[in-house]
Amino acid sequence: GQQVMQIPQYQHVQEGEDFTTYCNSSTTLSNIQWYKQRPGGHPVFLIQLVKSGEVKKQKRLTFQFGEAKKNSSLHITATQTTDVGTYFCAGQKTSYDKVIFGPGTSLSVIP
Amino acid sequence: DTGVSQDPRHKITKRGQNVTFRCDPISEHNRLYWYRQTLGQGPEFLTYFQNEAQLEKSRLLSDRFSAERPKGSFSTLEIQRTEQGDSAMYLCASSLEAALTYGYTFGSGTRLTVV
Repeated sequence: GQQVMQIPQYQHVQEGEDFTTYCNSSTTLSNIQWYKQRPGGHPVFLIQLVKSGEVKKQKRLTFQFGEAKKNSSLHITATQTTDVGTYFCAGQKTSYDKVIFGPGTSLSVIP
Repeated sequence: DTGVSQDPRHKITKRGQNVTFRCDPISEHNRLYWYRQTLGQGPEFLTYFQNEAQLEKSRLLSDRFSAERPKGSFSTLEIQRTEQGDSAMYLCASSLEAALTYGYTFGSGTRLTVV
């Protein structure tokens, strides 16, 4: 079945450093989504990427969808303590299918 | 409408007992999803509904799990004869449309502990 993988599992950075998490799917995706889950919280939708090679930015966050629509990345510039949490990528095989989540990358930011 | 509501927030039950969780989605959302999340893992798909129709159920889900969404509004997830391995956070999510322009909106979850 469809699998979504993420690396790294954990990342500890000094405040102000950059952070990147990578997501890979075993199958071609219709779209990929990114969610953030704060400690003790629930996943919150950040963004959806649909087109091959698409790049979207939200302030310090840059999201990219691979040309083959099987991988994606999230890059945070100059991390802040408010960025702490687990970042999940999640993909759909078709736009009408359920979303399959990756295992997440847990980000810790040292002030 | 304040978002997706789940009840209860926490449930402690003895092994072998039955438990039922409730989810109230955002009112205009026609899709409702149940996921399970254990510590350090991503949400694992359980089942989903479009209106009142249950469209898919995970093959990983045993027959002890059942979900309903009568009248296409709130949903319930029942676990019969609970086992310690059922201990997890059970998340409900809803979406306005199948093509997820705005993603899923998750509830705060029900944390189940089986002792």
